[in-house]
Amino acid sequence: EAGVTQFPSHSVIEKGQTVTLRCDPISGHDNLYWYRRVMGKEIKFLLHFVKESKQDESGMPNNRFLAERTGGTYSTLKVQPAELEDSGVYFCASSQGLGLALNTGELFFGEGSRLTVL
Amino acid sequence: LAKTTQPISMDSYEGQEVNITCSHNNIATNDYITWYQQFPSQGPRFIIQGYKTKVTNEVASLFIPADRKSSTLSLPRVSLSDTAVYYCLVGSASGGSYIPTFGRGTSLIVHP
Repeated sequence: EAGVTQFPSHSVIEKGQTVTLRCDPISGHDNLYWYRRVMGKEIKFLLHFVKESKQDESGMPNNRFLAERTGGTYSTLKVQPAELEDSGVYFCASSQGLGLALNTGELFFGEGSRLTVL
Repeated sequence: LAKTTQPISMDSYEGQEVNITCSHNNIATNDYITWYQQFPSQGPRFIIQGYKTKVTNEVASLFIPADRKSSTLSLPRVSLSDTAVYYCLVGSASGGSYIPTFGRGTSLIVHP
């Protein structure tokens, strides 16, 4: 079974340019998460999709970041325009739907997309 | 969200048992405790999850005392390949959304 895949693995862009990161979750997983790790800092939550709906986007840094999950399958995270502080590794994770109130569900992470903004 | 506190780093030798303790004083009734492992240039990988007492799988054991304010990840007989960062997370699916929150993690270095 294919795991979570992310593309590109590494992107180098100049300040002011646009970058779109893509995440393909494990087939059948309703939950899709985006996280980001800035160098030297903790892995920070960005947002959570349940199917095609944004369940929680409290971690999105600002309106330069736009996440979509059309059709409830793959997701894209667009940064426009990119700033220097956006550099970091962006992780995507997916998990199955939560059938029980106390079921937290294992998250499966992708390898990450490293973004370098010059 | 409950905050977790772990040692920043630990050193061990091959063949030893390693115990990493995580404090989570504000853990809520519905929260589960989950541990992830991360190697350089890879995404975190689930190791084990528990709610109370002891949980064991083929990779590790998780000990949770009765008050649940801490937990200990136990790695039996570590090898060089266990060198990684280990994260302790607490959270629940209350309200329909489960958001695992990462702390700084514990960097484990296993020496020959």
